[in-house]
Amino acid sequence: GAVVSQHPSRVICKSGTSVKIECRSLDFQATTMFWYRQFPKQSLMLMATSNEGSKATYEQGVEKDKFLINHASLTLSTLTVTSAHPEDSSFYICSTSRRLGTDTQYFGPGTRLTVL
Amino acid sequence: DAKTTQPNSMESNEEEPVHLPCNHSTISGTDYIHWYRQLPSQGPEYVIHGLTSNVNNRMASLAIAEDRKSSTLILHRATLRDAAVYYCILRDGNSGNTPLVFGKGTRLSVIA
Repeated sequence: GAVVSQHPSRVICKSGTSVKIECRSLDFQATTMFWYRQFPKQSLMLMATSNEGSKATYEQGVEKDKFLINHASLTLSTLTVTSAHPEDSSFYICSTSRRLGTDTQYFGPGTRLTVL
Repeated sequence: DAKTTQPNSMESNEEEPVHLPCNHSTISGTDYIHWYRQLPSQGPEYVIHGLTSNVNNRMASLAIAEDRKSSTLILHRATLRDAAVYYCILRDGNSGNTPLVFGKGTRLSVIA
């Protein structure tokens, strides 16, 4: 069964609105989760690292005030796209792993965001 | 993470074996070779990983060159459900809980 879930699976919103995407670890506690986005025909690009109980770490070029990450519990991280614009339309994917080092990364099924 | 090089695309007939190559000439001694795949409109999923010896699991086999500068993912009998983008990724075994860095991968098409 699924190890990581995401909600919603797809969302369509108007430009200027905010959208919250949830990522849940179903089988284990996840102190660290990762958020990626993927534009059509491109590979996954890491956006940020979400740490339970502390601030997220953002990759260069990712606006922390636009992509708000909250990791308030060991099983839930949320990504909020604030004031979304059409260029934010993308496939957003989260991942986590059970342990450190070379352990398998488990990915969520992704959230397709379309901003009109 | 050290860089990998994969062909952009490959094609296979259904029911036949597929060999997906990956070059990683700058691999370090502590780098593990991981393979993930991404089916259309889904998140990536783990396929297999190894360090030095060849590895087998229910999904695939991983053949690692003796000098570790290249590896091959082997799907023994391709099915239509194996059509996906396959990513070869190096990951330092001492890196802690760090994210995977994805390259462009190989898009595998399976023909019925």
